[in-house]
Amino acid sequence: GVTQSPTHLIKTRGQQVTLRCSSQSGHNTVSWYQQALGQGPQFIFQYYEKEERGRGNFPDRFSARQFPNYSSELNVNALLLGDSALYLCASSSTGAGTYEQYFGPGTRLTVT
Amino acid sequence: GENVEQHPSTLSVQEGDSAVIKCTYSDSASNYFPWYKQELGKRPQLIIDIRSNVGEKKDQRIAVTLNKTAKHFSLHITETQPEDSAVYFCAASIYNRSNYKLTFGKGTLLTVNP
Repeated sequence: GVTQSPTHLIKTRGQQVTLRCSSQSGHNTVSWYQQALGQGPQFIFQYYEKEERGRGNFPDRFSARQFPNYSSELNVNALLLGDSALYLCASSSTGAGTYEQYFGPGTRLTVT
Repeated sequence: GENVEQHPSTLSVQEGDSAVIKCTYSDSASNYFPWYKQELGKRPQLIIDIRSNVGEKKDQRIAVTLNKTAKHFSLHITETQPEDSAVYFCAASIYNRSNYKLTFGKGTLLTVNP
């Protein structure tokens, strides 16, 4: 399945953070979502074959990349209190005729 | 961009009753509509989905219906059980080869009382 690390993270305002995601075997596409408490997930990025092919309404402090093995990293610079949330990655397969996105367990980021 | 509205925000039913959650979407180009179940502290789990070329899909006790003309879709859970208690999210996507992000509703907290 989809795995993410770390599980929890506490950072101070202004710091930088890197979150990691390993996609499901056979999947070539990774999407990142931010889920604030009591809200639905919000789309941040989608990567396919190491190329960004979609970006949500998030500032340039958010960046990501995808590696040859289809795993991915999400980076957030200059952390703000409002960045505190559950960060989810979702794995899927482009070109296979399937639409499903499967989520990892998430990384709970707390910014103090 | 796409906007998804979900109702109700909370739903309480007795065990064995049916539960219905409704969503509307704004972009008529949307063609894929999944439903996710999220238990407290856990990942969203895909429970059922429907594509725009289908009006209804059923999987055991859960079913989803889609009305493209009205731009709304619904989740139906029959014979509810306490383990169905969770937050349910609907989502919509314009699936094409360039980008298929999911736009989520705000969720429905379903409580099944024994």
